[in-house]
Order: sequence, then structure tokens, then C-alpha cells
Amino acid sequence: AQSVTQLGSHVSVSEGALVLLRCNYSSSVPPYLFWYVQYPNQGLQLLLKYTSAATLVKGINGFEAEFKKSETSFHLTKPSAHMSDAAEYFCAVSFRTGTASKLTFGTGTRLQVTL
Amino acid sequence: DAGVTQSPTHLIKTRGQQVTLRCSPKSGHDTVSWYQQALGQGPQFIFQYYEEEERQRGNFPDRFSGHQFPNYSSELNVNALLLGDSALYLCASSLKPLASGNTIYFGEGSWLTVV
Repeated sequence: AQSVTQLGSHVSVSEGALVLLRCNYSSSVPPYLFWYVQYPNQGLQLLLKYTSAATLVKGINGFEAEFKKSETSFHLTKPSAHMSDAAEYFCAVSFRTGTASKLTFGTGTRLQVTL
Repeated sequence: DAGVTQSPTHLIKTRGQQVTLRCSPKSGHDTVSWYQQALGQGPQFIFQYYEEEERQRGNFPDRFSGHQFPNYSSELNVNALLLGDSALYLCASSLKPLASGNTIYFGEGSWLTVV
């Protein structure tokens, strides 16, 4: 079955440190890949998406992600964490099958940023 | 340009009751999907509507039903509510079913508590 796995339900970094949130997918063909952020008591906001153009995707708020087919990964990074980055991050995939599709989400990673 | 709007934002229902949640898609979007997000979990796909028809459905019982109107807005209905239906219900909109990696935008969600 096609799926997405986020390693680490909680990640804590110091302000100014590198942020690395991990996402791996399982699929026989490269899917579309997304990262969403969810702030407390809010909906989901798209950070970035991969749709088979450049493998390094730049998103909003200084985040970027690299698609690595050989590793079936799409890890999210940010060079320097800010306190405002504290939130829940979800990796999601959709698959190029049929004319209708859906997003399959990982279980999420809660990012904590400390002083 | 209004984004995806949902109503109501919060509601409390009793077991066995029925609930209707409403969604207006982002301007120009014609495809609406519904997701259920239980506390501490990633969103789970319920179903997707396009051209007023249910196009794809996730693993949810028939108690969950929906409708799309000619103006592309949508309703989610849940009958015979169970305590386990307590969750954040997210509406998402996009342009055409996601066959080409179109961006999916989410609303702020409707918090349903079943007591």
C-alpha cells in the first residue's frame, strides 16, 4: 500500500539551529509530495510541494525540501530556526492514479523551538 | 480573494444526533475534499466532490455523506454520531481533481465534539 512515514513525532531545536524534519514515502512511481504546517487551533497551510520539476523545492518562511528518489525521501529543512516556526508539520503525498486523487498524510512532527 | 471558508467553527453534539458542516471553496476552485483530523493525528481523507459527484472515498462508513452544490460549495453530513467522531473536520479545495499536482488549500476547520 502507498504510504508516508514521518520519523520523529517531536523534534526540539534551539533558536538559530538547523531544522530537519524527515519524511519517507512508499510508492511504485514518484508521487506528488507536500509539506503543510499547522499552528495551534488552525487549519493547514502549504509550505511547499514537489510535482516532478526541480528536486530541490523552496517554500515559504525559508523552508526547503529535497526529493530523493533513490531514498524515497522528501525531508524538510530550514537553516536557522525561529521561535515562530514552532508548530505541527505534516508530510503528505498524492499519487498519479486515475482522474481523482487524495492526500495521504503522515502522522505529523511537532517542532519545538527553544531559546 | 477569500480562501476556503468553513462553518461552524465549533459545535457540540450528543451521541446519536446528526450534524452538517459547510464549506465554500477558494474562489475559482471546483473540487472539494473533506478530511477528518482526530486529536494528535494527521488528517484522514473522507471523500472528494467534483462536478457535484463523489469522485473518491476514503475508509469511512456510510454515516458520512456529502453534497456539492452548483456553486461548488459543499456539505458534510454525519449521522448517528459516535463519541469517536469527535475531531477537527477540514475542508480542502483545488482546481480539478488532483491529477497534475494542483495545490490544495485548506480551511480553518470545524471542531466537532460529541458528548
